[in-house]
Amino acid sequence: DTAVSQTPKYLVTQMGNDKSIKCEQNLGHDTMYWYKQDSKKFLKIMFSYNNKELIINETVPNRFSPKSPDKAHLNLHINSLELGDSAVYFCASSLNLLAKNIQYFGAGTRLSVL
Amino acid sequence: TQLLEQSPQFLSIQEGENLTVYCNSSSVFSSLQWYRQEPGEGPVLLVTVVTGGEVKKLKRLTFQFGDARKDSSLHITAAQPGDTGLYLCAGGGNTNAGKSTFGDGTTLTVKP
Repeated sequence: DTAVSQTPKYLVTQMGNDKSIKCEQNLGHDTMYWYKQDSKKFLKIMFSYNNKELIINETVPNRFSPKSPDKAHLNLHINSLELGDSAVYFCASSLNLLAKNIQYFGAGTRLSVL
Repeated sequence: TQLLEQSPQFLSIQEGENLTVYCNSSSVFSSLQWYRQEPGEGPVLLVTVVTGGEVKKLKRLTFQFGDARKDSSLHITAAQPGDTGLYLCAGGGNTNAGKSTFGDGTTLTVKP
């Protein structure tokens, strides 16, 4: 069983479209994260949620809207996609906020905006 | 903002060689993690160090946390092609809501 699973693994879409990426963890963790990894491999935090509550929102355009229906899921919806949104998006989880430094990552979603 | 700089950015070596990767910051971290990311996959945690001066060994990998908890190093002995990947250090935030900050990564290629 995959601990942190993201879907889809690949996403190719046109500029201006709206898309969603889903993330689920079966580790029983309280805290989940979204990261963006650019072409230079820099991994930047976007959001974190703890027990469905937003904890971190890092200067991300409001076209990006995370949603956590329960603590095992953290989905990312992106409106009006732009070329600069092309990147690999990683979901991660940690046991809780105290263990935030020990994170388990999904395999990533490779988003290409044409 | 806490920043972590890794060096070198790219490293290509032959199988059997030794190497050291560095992770430096001007900030103090409560803990520091090293991850390895293989192509097409997410980062996987290798180790966490929490005490200044701490040294941890994982088979051929040796991790050290600086005395002042501002820097860390990863030394690999007798590198193998399976060690190929992107190595990321991450610094733990000091508050409950603090986030982990990732370094800019070292891409290691070990040629057979």
